Amino acid sequence: AQSVTQLGSHVSVSEGALVLLRCNYSSSVPPYLFWYVQYPNQGLQLLLKYTTGATLVKGINGFEAEFKKSETSFHLTKPSAHMSDAAEYFCAVTTASGGSYIPTFGRGTSLIVHP
Amino acid sequence: EAGVAQSPRYKIIEKRQSVAFWCNPISGHATLYWYQQILGQGPKLLIQFQNNGVVDDSQLPKDRFSAERLKGVDSTLKIQPAKLEDSAVYLCASSLELAGRRIGELFFGEGSRLTVL
Repeated sequence: AQSVTQLGSHVSVSEGALVLLRCNYSSSVPPYLFWYVQYPNQGLQLLLKYTTGATLVKGINGFEAEFKKSETSFHLTKPSAHMSDAAEYFCAVTTASGGSYIPTFGRGTSLIVHP
Repeated sequence: EAGVAQSPRYKIIEKRQSVAFWCNPISGHATLYWYQQILGQGPKLLIQFQNNGVVDDSQLPKDRFSAERLKGVDSTLKIQPAKLEDSAVYLCASSLELAGRRIGELFFGEGSRLTVL
């Protein structure tokens, strides 16, 4: 079975400050990892993903994440927060199950950006 | 390219009534998902289809929830009878990959918000 833990239901930063959203996963097989963002009253949209290859992946809007197998982590970072980054962020893991791929989402982290 | 379409966007019903949600995935996407998102929580997978076959429905409350995907395209999720705890946003998503192929991302619709009074 796979699971995702996002540490901190809310993260508050000042505009221009570093953003760090934490994600740890549990999986018995190599995972595929994703970060999604959800703005109010909208569906989720993909920020970035790790499947294979380079462990540091870059996404949209200046976000990046690093897959660390030894730490079972996939933390999301952005060097400088912008007001428009305020949203809900979800980490997700997908692993194979009986020939199919089942995505599992974390509980989400709400990013609050102060002026 | 058109995105994932869902309707209705909002629905208010009383407990014990029934409700149905509709989803039209992105053209050509073989895999379709229904997620339940309760306020303040992450999406919980209810059912996953690959074409018109069910891949996983282990978390679908089958005594009241049902879903179908006729002809491997559109899908309908039904709740009958509804309970107060069913109040949530129901998200439909689709993806292009098939089993054994490249893992791609999920494309989500805007969701259908259900309020049960």
